[in-house]
Amino acid sequence: DADVTQTPRNRITKTGKRIMLECSQTKGHDRMYWYRQDPGLGLRLIYYSFDVKDINKGEISDGYSVSRQAQAKFSLSLESAIPNQTALYFCATSAVAGALHNEQFFGPGTRLTVL
Amino acid sequence: SQQGEEDPQALSIQEGENATMNCSYKTSINNLQWYRQNSGRGLVHLILIRSNEREKHSGRLRVTLDTSKKSSSLLITASRAADTASYFCATDPYNAGNMLTFGGGTRLMVKP
Repeated sequence: DADVTQTPRNRITKTGKRIMLECSQTKGHDRMYWYRQDPGLGLRLIYYSFDVKDINKGEISDGYSVSRQAQAKFSLSLESAIPNQTALYFCATSAVAGALHNEQFFGPGTRLTVL
Repeated sequence: SQQGEEDPQALSIQEGENATMNCSYKTSINNLQWYRQNSGRGLVHLILIRSNEREKHSGRLRVTLDTSKKSSSLLITASRAADTASYFCATDPYNAGNMLTFGGGTRLMVKP
């Protein structure tokens, strides 16, 4: 079984709809992240969480919200979807560690299209 | 803004050739990491090099780090068609809580 899972894998929705993307992990990591990737571009950080009670905004948090329901679950919501939120969304996790082992582990992604 | 910038943005080579990708960054770092992304899939961690290391190997991968020039390179030797993917560098800047900043990636195509 995959260590980091995302649901749904694909979603088409309409402008103004509320959408929730879910992420679950079995790696036992405390840190979880949500990224957005636009075609041909790198990753931009939306939100991150260092533990259940610690939620932080990333580079592009406007229009998004998150919930850390448990150590293993981190969901991303688009309160009122708009077409320029069409993108590939990734969840990632990492262990609480210093500079030696902070590699991130990614889910398979959710392809979201907002019409 | 992106901390790491990869060069070239796209690279096309023949199977068996070596592929070299470069990453430049702006601030002091704890470590630098390289990731691979197959089309539309999640990123996969390849290798991490610490700021006090200059070179690291993993199979057909060789990574160098020059902190004086704030640059790193990823060399894939004897490339295979299956190496076709995008490759991203990610930096762990000082005083950033071990958060990573990803570059824009190099798209590598290896032709059979």
